[in-house]
Amino acid sequence: SQKIEQNSEALNIQEGKTATLTCNYTNYSPAYLQWYRQDPGRGPVFLLLIRENEKEKRKERLKVTFDTTLKQSLFHITASQPADSATYLCATEDGYGNKLVFGAGTILRVKS
Amino acid sequence: NAGVTQTPKFQVLKTGQSMTLQCAQDMNHNSMYWYRQDPGMGLRLIYYSASEGTTDKGEVPNGYNVSRLNKREFSLRLESAAPSQTSVYFCASTVREGGGYEQYFGPGTRLTVT
Repeated sequence: SQKIEQNSEALNIQEGKTATLTCNYTNYSPAYLQWYRQDPGRGPVFLLLIRENEKEKRKERLKVTFDTTLKQSLFHITASQPADSATYLCATEDGYGNKLVFGAGTILRVKS
Repeated sequence: NAGVTQTPKFQVLKTGQSMTLQCAQDMNHNSMYWYRQDPGMGLRLIYYSASEGTTDKGEVPNGYNVSRLNKREFSLRLESAAPSQTSVYFCASTVREGGGYEQYFGPGTRLTVT
């Protein structure tokens, strides 16, 4: 089955800078990758989906890329703000059907 | 729209006790899921229900049972709780969107088994 790896170390950045988080998948190339945001004590919230034939997708200050050669997705937050501090989870399809497999998430801390 | 709701929010059980976690969604989604989340391990799928009347095991089903009561409700039962089941439990439902399955999560139930 598919496995998702995310950097377990927290990412600390200064307000206004661009945050870049990495997601690697280990097996077959999935049809899509998703990114979720999770705040402490709350459930994950869907942010973006990128399909394998899309190299890049944007939504406001968010940008996601999908590199099938590197088996990797990068998640960028430009002009980061302290309110962007959260855990960000990467997910993709797990085999057939409508199941997802999630990475353990990367904590982002944006300092003012 | 309340989205996905879960009860209770917190629960403490003694080893061997049983309980049922309740989940409901008002978005008319066909598929529903139960996950557990432990530090450093991410979300792991316990059981899911692709549609009303069907349930299937996920990655970590041992010690749990589920019931898809109707299209809205999907419950998770611990028959004999063990300390290893101390975790945060999330229910989710899904809709196919943009070529993939976007999941909507509930607020979670924090369970401690002593």
